[in-house]
Amino acid sequence: DSGVTQTPKHLITATGQRVTLRCSPRSGDLSVYWYQQSLDQGLQFLIQYYNGEERAKGNILERFSAQQFPDLHSELNLSSLELGDSALYFCASSYRTENNEQFFGPGTRLTVL
Amino acid sequence: AQTVTQSQPEMSVQEAETVTLSCTYDTSENNYYLFWYKQPPSRQMILVIRQEAYKQQNATENRFSVNFQKAAKSFSLKISDSQLGDTAMYFCALTPWGEGGSEKLVFGKGMKLTVNP
Repeated sequence: DSGVTQTPKHLITATGQRVTLRCSPRSGDLSVYWYQQSLDQGLQFLIQYYNGEERAKGNILERFSAQQFPDLHSELNLSSLELGDSALYFCASSYRTENNEQFFGPGTRLTVL
Repeated sequence: AQTVTQSQPEMSVQEAETVTLSCTYDTSENNYYLFWYKQPPSRQMILVIRQEAYKQQNATENRFSVNFQKAAKSFSLKISDSQLGDTAMYFCALTPWGEGGSEKLVFGKGMKLTVNP
């Protein structure tokens, strides 16, 4: 158990819908990262938050957004969903001074029908 | 920009044998970390081993060791005494290190390792 929790584990929805994925980092970790794992794109970095502020953006679509709240949990919002958004979405957390090691949550499996 | 390349998509090995997984990378950063992550069928991402680029000594963790060749930008993983539980996807990853930058992980496409009894 990495100490990072993600909810829900599975999500099935229809095209055009909007969903919210939630992540609670390890206690004390200030950074939260979101990654998308799909068959065609592999593992891709989406976005990073550090202590409530956006720190870096990767290949994140405009239809996707994220935020990190004062209690350091994070949410990834996916809207106007398309079939191609079906993927495993991972959240990871780290405390920046600890060797950059990122601890991954179990992931949320999103299926868009 | 950073890139990570794993050219072998799949390998198999007999239990108790040794196997080496290859990885090459490219980065313009002077300071960075390299990682091998394991993803078993459960899909959980598990850190196997970590190497700081400024360290010349190769990292080892029990049966896992790396061969880090900085000039060649090569970072291979050796698994000794392979066990059935080593069956998984293995991802090589890179992250820059230092003040002011993002510590995002850049992953290779992964390699599927099967350990046969």
